[in-house]
Amino acid sequence: SQQGEEDPQALSIQEGENATMNCSYKTSINNLQWYRQNSGRGLVHLILIRSNEREKHSGRLRVTLDTSKKSSSLLITASRAADTASYFCATAKLNNDMRFGAGTRLTVKP
Amino acid sequence: DGGITQSPKYLFRKEGQNVTLSCEQNLNHDAMYWYRQDPGQGLRLIYYSQIVNDFQKGDIAEGYSVSREKKESFPLTVTSAQKNPTAFYLCASSTQDSQPQHFGDGTRLSIL
Repeated sequence: SQQGEEDPQALSIQEGENATMNCSYKTSINNLQWYRQNSGRGLVHLILIRSNEREKHSGRLRVTLDTSKKSSSLLITASRAADTASYFCATAKLNNDMRFGAGTRLTVKP
Repeated sequence: DGGITQSPKYLFRKEGQNVTLSCEQNLNHDAMYWYRQDPGQGLRLIYYSQIVNDFQKGDIAEGYSVSREKKESFPLTVTSAQKNPTAFYLCASSTQDSQPQHFGDGTRLSIL
């Protein structure tokens, strides 16, 4: 069963623009993680945000978490063509079970 | 370099045949996972193991089997009971549940 639901399913932007992806979930969590997957490859962990944190940054990535709304967002600033990939959120529930959402497919046009 | 190695990269299965996908990690991680990914979809958990000689079913375990005889290895067998095995299979490991997972580069399984 998938815990997180990403929105939008697909996003297409121009290089230099910002990209925002959202993740909603249903049950209480320990943490929420964002991953990236290039076509035909495995997932790569980007960032983890704990349930008691509201915002984290890593380079051009900014993640927010709103536990009252059970939602998170991933912002990629000044996007590059190399950012083209699928992005997944994964929620770690209180019993440590972790589940992935269906992902957002991001296309950055040069 | 530490990481996870999945082999083979491509695998073909004949009707009624069992096939085994290999997953090896040298990250000294206790937990290992198998996921199935269908085109344009997210990851669905097949099996996971938190420690050697122990494993649990995930959300779609029917038609699959695993073993965890060594910390480094977590092979997945796709049995003939799995009627729709065509998919991309991903293996992952982590220090423990709920921590970031490291993924292999997957095995793409197709039916002949």
